[in-house]
Amino acid sequence: GAVVSQHPSWVICKSGTSVKIECRSLDFQATTMFWYRQFPKQSLMLMATSNEGSKATYEQGVEKDKFLINHASLTLSTLTVTSAHPEDSSFYICSGSGTSAYNEQFFGPGTRLTVL
Amino acid sequence: GDSVTQMEGPVTLSEEAFLTINCTYTATGYPSLFWYVQYPGEGLQLLLKATKADDKGSNKGFEATYRKETTSFHLEKGSVQVSDSAVYFCALSEEGYSTLTFGKGTMLLVSP
Repeated sequence: GAVVSQHPSWVICKSGTSVKIECRSLDFQATTMFWYRQFPKQSLMLMATSNEGSKATYEQGVEKDKFLINHASLTLSTLTVTSAHPEDSSFYICSGSGTSAYNEQFFGPGTRLTVL
Repeated sequence: GDSVTQMEGPVTLSEEAFLTINCTYTATGYPSLFWYVQYPGEGLQLLLKATKADDKGSNKGFEATYRKETTSFHLEKGSVQVSDSAVYFCALSEEGYSTLTFGKGTMLLVSP
């Protein structure tokens, strides 16, 4: 299957700082990228969907000014957590979807964010 | 709206036992159905999928059959291994859309 990478795999930051997470599709063009948040022992919560070159569409309850998503190219999307607080600590997972007829998403390995 | 319901875990089995994880769904159209697996500390990996009724997805000894009449996509494996210990997510995607709707996940713990 197609490969999606995320960087960093884990990050620790101080409260009030901003953190950027990169998501790259390595061997396919991701026309759509998705960002999820996963709390311990829970399912994935879709945060936003972005199409290359367009503004992201955020799910209800997700603060767009806090979670900035950029999808500048067909192989790169970034999630920036601005003014992070301890409650933002979580596992963030991205996925990419190309032109598969089966709407398949390919997931990155995730980024563990810990805000102190 | 669409929804996916999975049996709650954890499911605890001994090695070589038979596994069934139930999954039922609600959808308006003709969705594609997926099982994803998440190993500790990792992202999701697609385990298998089925795109139309009566299709059987299979991979690594796991199987699931798309049952439209019962709106189900139960995951089965005849003989589990310790290395199968993970969280398994059932998901659907409506026809023509990429967005996935996930179940809450079922943790599987296999002991030697």
